Amino acid sequence: AQKITQTQPGMFVQEKEAVTLDCTYDTSDPSYGLFWYKQPSSGEMIFLIYQGSYDQQNATEGRYSLNFQKARKSANLVISASQLGDSAMYFCAMRGMFSGGYNKLIFGAGTRLAVHP
Amino acid sequence: DAGVTQSPTHLIKTRGQQVTLRCSPKSGHDTVSWYQQALGQGPQFIFQYYEEEERQRGNFPDRFSGHQFPNYSSELNVNALLLGDSALYLCASRSGGRSTDTQYFGPGTRLTVL
Repeated sequence: AQKITQTQPGMFVQEKEAVTLDCTYDTSDPSYGLFWYKQPSSGEMIFLIYQGSYDQQNATEGRYSLNFQKARKSANLVISASQLGDSAMYFCAMRGMFSGGYNKLIFGAGTRLAVHP
Repeated sequence: DAGVTQSPTHLIKTRGQQVTLRCSPKSGHDTVSWYQQALGQGPQFIFQYYEEEERQRGNFPDRFSGHQFPNYSSELNVNALLLGDSALYLCASRSGGRSTDTQYFGPGTRLTVL
């Protein structure tokens, strides 16, 4: 069965510093996709970054990068130069490609990030 | 370019009642998924609609049903509401087919069951 684990319920970071949010996953699919979403208090899930399991390079999107370590089954999100507006819940999610799971995302429990001035 | 829209924003119902939530997908998207997010948890997949048919379903009882219209918009219906159905209901859309396209979410409908 597919599973996402986020072990950090909450994280604090000083404005302008970098922060890493942890995500480990478990799947038997040979091909899968990993996502990070941001959820502000308003509730909307905002897509941040995607990494395919066969991608050779780590994904980057502006201040967001995904540290993908396939052998360790980890997909950590790195936010550089944190801003006050980065304060939110962050969810790691996975989609399987061949087990019928490609239609759905499986989410972790989330990490609440607080950015301090 | 309009994103995913959902209505209503908030809803209060009592146990045993029925509720209908609505979703319009992002322009150019034809696949709609519904997720339930209980307080303090990650979203859980309910089901997905493509070409007006339910393509996959999560571990939810038959009280949860849905529909997709020819314009790709979708409804989520919940019958015989329970207190445990109180949650944020999120709709997500993407291009159809077996693609790697990203799912984009709407702002959600917050349902409270009293």
